[in-house]
Amino acid sequence: DQQVKQNSPSLSVQEGRISILNCDYTNSMFDYFLWYKKYPAEGPTFLISISSIKDKNEDGRFTVFLNKSAKHLSLHIVPSQPGDSAVYFCAAIVNFNKFYFGSGTKLNVKP
Amino acid sequence: NAGVTQTPKFRVLKTGQSMTLLCAQDMNHEYMYWYRQDPGMGLRLIHYSVGEGTTAKGEVPDGYNVSRLKKQNFLLGLESAAPSQTSVYFCASRNDSPLHFGNGTRLTVT
Repeated sequence: DQQVKQNSPSLSVQEGRISILNCDYTNSMFDYFLWYKKYPAEGPTFLISISSIKDKNEDGRFTVFLNKSAKHLSLHIVPSQPGDSAVYFCAAIVNFNKFYFGSGTKLNVKP
Repeated sequence: NAGVTQTPKFRVLKTGQSMTLLCAQDMNHEYMYWYRQDPGMGLRLIHYSVGEGTTAKGEVPDGYNVSRLKKQNFLLGLESAAPSQTSVYFCASRNDSPLHFGNGTRLTVT
């Protein structure tokens, strides 16, 4: 049973608008949450993270929100750019060592 | 600085054949991981290592073996390949940082 779930396989957004990617998890012992971005034929690259003791972390156009009571994580991209088109994976860490990944959401930002 | 390098990039195997995937990192990372990526399943952990000479099972270890004889290398072996092992395999490494991934090995088992 997947401990980290991304229920939207794809998302299409107009350039300049906000992209919101969602992630749910089941394990309350996760210490840290991360978002990775993946282009075709490349490995995932780290985008942004948040500790389980925080509820928001911002880095430029990217903001991650954590709602522990709902076991829900979201990534906001504002404004969205065509270069943001990629697959986004949500990940969670337990025991500061084992990473669990969601199934990914393919974001398409239309010019 | 090459980061994480995976070889080969592509491979086609017949059922029952064996092969080894090599992962090499030049960042002096202690932790190394092997994941497989399948459509709709995301990245699933096969095996991992917390240091030279150590290995541990992940979520989907069956049918795979690993070795970490040198700190910079993490080998993933398939002793008798099965069509269910058709996948894209990613190696990753880290110390305190987030995972650094290689560019993957696309394996097809016919």
